[in-house]
Amino acid sequence: SQQGEEDPQALSIQEGENATMNCSYKTSINNLQWYRQNSGRGLVHLILIRSNEREKHSGRLRVTLDTSKKSSSLLITASRAADTASYFCATDNYGQNFVFGPGTRLSVLP
Amino acid sequence: EAQVTQNPRYLITVTGKKLTVTCSQNMNHEYMSWYRQDPGLGLRQIYYSMNVEVTDKGDVPEGYKVSRKEKRNFPLILESPSPNQTSLYFCASSLVSVMASGPPDTQYFGPGTRLTVL
Repeated sequence: SQQGEEDPQALSIQEGENATMNCSYKTSINNLQWYRQNSGRGLVHLILIRSNEREKHSGRLRVTLDTSKKSSSLLITASRAADTASYFCATDNYGQNFVFGPGTRLSVLP
Repeated sequence: EAQVTQNPRYLITVTGKKLTVTCSQNMNHEYMSWYRQDPGLGLRQIYYSMNVEVTDKGDVPEGYKVSRKEKRNFPLILESPSPNQTSLYFCASSLVSVMASGPPDTQYFGPGTRLTVL
């Protein structure tokens, strides 16, 4: 079952602009995580937000979580060409198995 | 260096020929997991393991087997591969939450194994 669903599927912006990606999920969760993947390579963890947290920051990343709407957003500020990648949200489905969404493909143009 | 390694990185095989993809981590993580990634579908969890000798099915376990005899290793076995198992496979590991029944924390991913079944 598809728990996390990212939106939009693809996003193209200019360097220096902000990029916002959204994730919706269906069931209760313990935490929600965001990962980045460069072109078919392994995923890299970006940030984890727990169900009792509403917002979290890490460098140029800002993540929000709204458990009442079962949604999360990832904001990348002042984007760079190196941010070009696919971004995935993952939820734990209130258990031990993880569910990833299909991802948002971000292109940052120089 | 802390890492998750997978072997082989690329594999082309034929239908029905048993194969094993190995996964090893050197971070003493309790939790290990296998995913497959297909275009447009994101990552789907195949099997996971909370600790040695403890394994559970993920969302797409059919056609796969796993074992967890040692903490560091979590091999994925395809007893009789079929073309619909052609995919990009990732192994991941994680510490578990401090809560006894809590979820795994940050996952560390291997580089991936690209499998083609003809």
